[in-house]
Amino acid sequence: KAGVTQTPRYLIKTRGQQVTLSCSPISGHRSVSWYQQTPGQGLQFLFEYFSETQRNKGNFPGRFSGRQFSNSRSEMNVSTLELGDSALYLCASSEGRPGETQYFGPGTRLLVL
Amino acid sequence: ELKVEQNPLFLSMQEGKNYTIYCNYSTTSDRLYWYRQDPGKSLESLFVLLSNGAVKQEGRLMASLDTKARLSTLHITAAVHDLSATYFCARWDTGNQFYFGTGTSLTVIP
Repeated sequence: KAGVTQTPRYLIKTRGQQVTLSCSPISGHRSVSWYQQTPGQGLQFLFEYFSETQRNKGNFPGRFSGRQFSNSRSEMNVSTLELGDSALYLCASSEGRPGETQYFGPGTRLLVL
Repeated sequence: ELKVEQNPLFLSMQEGKNYTIYCNYSTTSDRLYWYRQDPGKSLESLFVLLSNGAVKQEGRLMASLDTKARLSTLHITAAVHDLSATYFCARWDTGNQFYFGTGTSLTVIP
């Protein structure tokens, strides 16, 4: 099976812009979770989508949003970018049963100038 | 507040030596996960520990879970250079949210 894929892999934006990141889960996986990884804060949970519905949400401002499509692909959007949004954004997929191991994609590295 | 703490944060060890990474978490959980991350790469699942007393081993790595002490350990036996990476533990809660530890950056020196 193909693994989790994320596009784009690298992105440079300026403050105030918005960005959309994409994640394609492993075939058959219905849950997609998003994480932000920074040197200072480590890995932080953003949100989880299951069957096109947001099932869980971390403590991030409303500028961070996401959605999931009927084929389980997910997108994450960040509006009004700030310098502090520079990070590695990882998505992870699983079949969706609670507590299952999550399988991570390669990440999208976002740099905000 | 849910917290997952790892120590040490940085570990430099010689090839052939043994060492243990510790993962403490603040609230009860029956599930604990260990992941590995190579520089510039994504996270790779190593172990899932599902109950108190669980022990899993793969090659030179062995993970264990003590839910009463809220402690998991990752033991490295006879380290080799290929084990150099950052290791994360993660706790799952019933809200289906994963909380990751701070990570332990391991460097194995020849």
